[in-house]
Amino acid sequence: EPEVTQTPSHQVTQMGQEVILRCVPISNHLYFYWYRQILGQKVEFLVSFYNNEISEKSEIFDDQFSVERPDGSNFTLKIRSTKLEDSAMYFCASSGQRNEKLFFGSGTQLSVL
Amino acid sequence: EDQVTQSPEALRLQEGESSSLNCSYTVSGLRGLFWYRQDPGKGPEFLFTLYSAGEEKEKERLKATLTKKESFLHITAPKPEDSATYLCAVHYSSASKIIFGSGTRLSIRP
Repeated sequence: EPEVTQTPSHQVTQMGQEVILRCVPISNHLYFYWYRQILGQKVEFLVSFYNNEISEKSEIFDDQFSVERPDGSNFTLKIRSTKLEDSAMYFCASSGQRNEKLFFGSGTQLSVL
Repeated sequence: EDQVTQSPEALRLQEGESSSLNCSYTVSGLRGLFWYRQDPGKGPEFLFTLYSAGEEKEKERLKATLTKKESFLHITAPKPEDSATYLCAVHYSSASKIIFGSGTRLSIRP
């Protein structure tokens, strides 16, 4: 069964550094998403992406964050100048139709020290 | 204001003891209500989508139902492997995104 793949599974970084989280969505999906989950809290929407453009973004997704689809298979989330409060599990998801049946990856656990 | 509220926060059942999880929503213009299962350290795994009041979906020991204000996830004769956090999520007309509830942590004792 096709699946969403995320790398790395764990990322430790120093405060102020930049990180790039990588995702390979399901190959025939057109809609891509990033969510995050701080330990013990809700899964929170960050951004959705379609046709090489951001479709929707949350208040969390400020200028510190950016997304890119650099080639036909990868979808990345860049976090610049990381802060302690950016520590969370970051999930990538994809879907064949907008906001329908999202398939999630296993996540990248980001720890900012 | 919470738009998706799940209850209870945690539920411990004996194997074989049936029960229901609740998801209430206050959004208008519901376009889809989703149930996901999340195991520790993993991403949410899709279970069901419900679109309109009165709709029901079933999968193995799980059945999801929907009214105009809430959804229930019924678990019949659960097994220990059903232990997980069950998440409810909604997509509604004034938001181009899916938002999640806090989840119910379900634990099934053998």
